[in-house]
Amino acid sequence: ETGVTQTPRHLVMGMTNKKSLKCEQHLGHNAMYWYKQSAKKPLELMFVYSLEERVENNSVPSRFSPECPNSSHLFLHLHTLQPEDSALYLCASSQVWGHNSPLHFGNGTRLTVT
Amino acid sequence: GQQVMQIPQYQHVQEGEDFTTYCNSSTTLSNIQWYKQRPGGHPVFLIQLVKSGEVKKQKRLTFQFGEAKKNSSLHITATQTTDVGTYFCAGTGNQFYFGTGTSLTVIP
Repeated sequence: ETGVTQTPRHLVMGMTNKKSLKCEQHLGHNAMYWYKQSAKKPLELMFVYSLEERVENNSVPSRFSPECPNSSHLFLHLHTLQPEDSALYLCASSQVWGHNSPLHFGNGTRLTVT
Repeated sequence: GQQVMQIPQYQHVQEGEDFTTYCNSSTTLSNIQWYKQRPGGHPVFLIQLVKSGEVKKQKRLTFQFGEAKKNSSLHITATQTTDVGTYFCAGTGNQFYFGTGTSLTVIP
């Protein structure tokens, strides 16, 4: 049972659609992350929020827009995506933002862009 | 930029055989973490190593951190079918760097 919940589990969208991924953590953590997992590639860090402030943005295209309204919730807004954006999008949280703090991942959203 | 390479990419073993995956960094790491992702699942944190030369054990799993803090290994003794999954290392320098993972298949 994960303390990080992601919805939806699966999403199919056209290139002109707008959708949002949602993440909620029930662990009382202060940092939240979005990762992209594609086949045969390392996990790619997209965004980091610490205490609701964005602290890292790893050259992610503007068609991905994160939002962190409070320390328990994280969204990833998607618009005009490309087929190569199809991947598993994983949300994670950690107690604090820092390099000794283990990540707790959600189950992910499997995104397919048609 | 910093890279964390992991080998092998795939490993098939007979149940009961041992398994080892290796993680190598181009630069010195502050610490290293290991995660396991079951098929269709999400990465789950296993352990963190911080000290140079550190060795930690979890039942049949042995984790090592190199003396130079640039490499690490995970060794599983007498694999079981429940060990199936992808094992990732994550080295931390100024941010997390995940390795490409080793996918383990255990043949009953």
